[in-house]
Amino acid sequence: GDSVTQMEGPVTLSEEACLTINCTYTATGYPSLFWYVQYPGEGLQLLLKATKADDKGSNKGFEATYRKETTSFHLEKGSVQVSDSAVYFCALGIIQGAQKLVFGQGTRLTINP
Amino acid sequence: DAMVIQNPRYQVTQFGKPVTLSCSQTLNHNVMYWYQQKSSQAPKLLFHYYDKDFNNEADTPDNFQSRRPNTSFCFLDIRSPGLGDAAMYLCATSERTSSYEQYFGPGTRLTVT
Repeated sequence: GDSVTQMEGPVTLSEEACLTINCTYTATGYPSLFWYVQYPGEGLQLLLKATKADDKGSNKGFEATYRKETTSFHLEKGSVQVSDSAVYFCALGIIQGAQKLVFGQGTRLTINP
Repeated sequence: DAMVIQNPRYQVTQFGKPVTLSCSQTLNHNVMYWYQQKSSQAPKLLFHYYDKDFNNEADTPDNFQSRRPNTSFCFLDIRSPGLGDAAMYLCATSERTSSYEQYFGPGTRLTVT
């Protein structure tokens, strides 16, 4: 079945460090790919998305490229801030009537000043 | 601002006492979803409505029901909450577009005593 595997956390970095959170997926067909972020006590916010192979999603300094050949959608940021501390979920979207999201297990990121 | 609203943000109920969680949206989206998220886990889809068409996930317990009286509102009913139902419940909406992007509410944290 469709699934998403994320790099296990927690991840702790210093401010201004480079970030990569790995995400790979297994899917039949051609899913859309998403990164969602969840701040403590809050719901999920869409961070970025890509709807087809080679698309690059970007937002707030974060980027991820839809790589069909490696079935990956790794999240990257060149210089993290304390305010980036949150849980990050990679997800794929499959259309079964409406869209269904299949989430990875989440990666908790902590940025220290 | 258009948004997804969940009430209450925190709900405490007793073991076996029915409880209803509420979600409303001003986005006029035709799809509404309910997810269950237990501590440190990924959100798990319980069911969704596509307009008035209810779609239950195969592994959603019968204890969980939902109502959608109109486009704007959707309710999650837990008929006899058990201790294992304590979780964050997330409502999301989407429109039938090419990407089916989902917009999440802030969640309701349910405690069962």
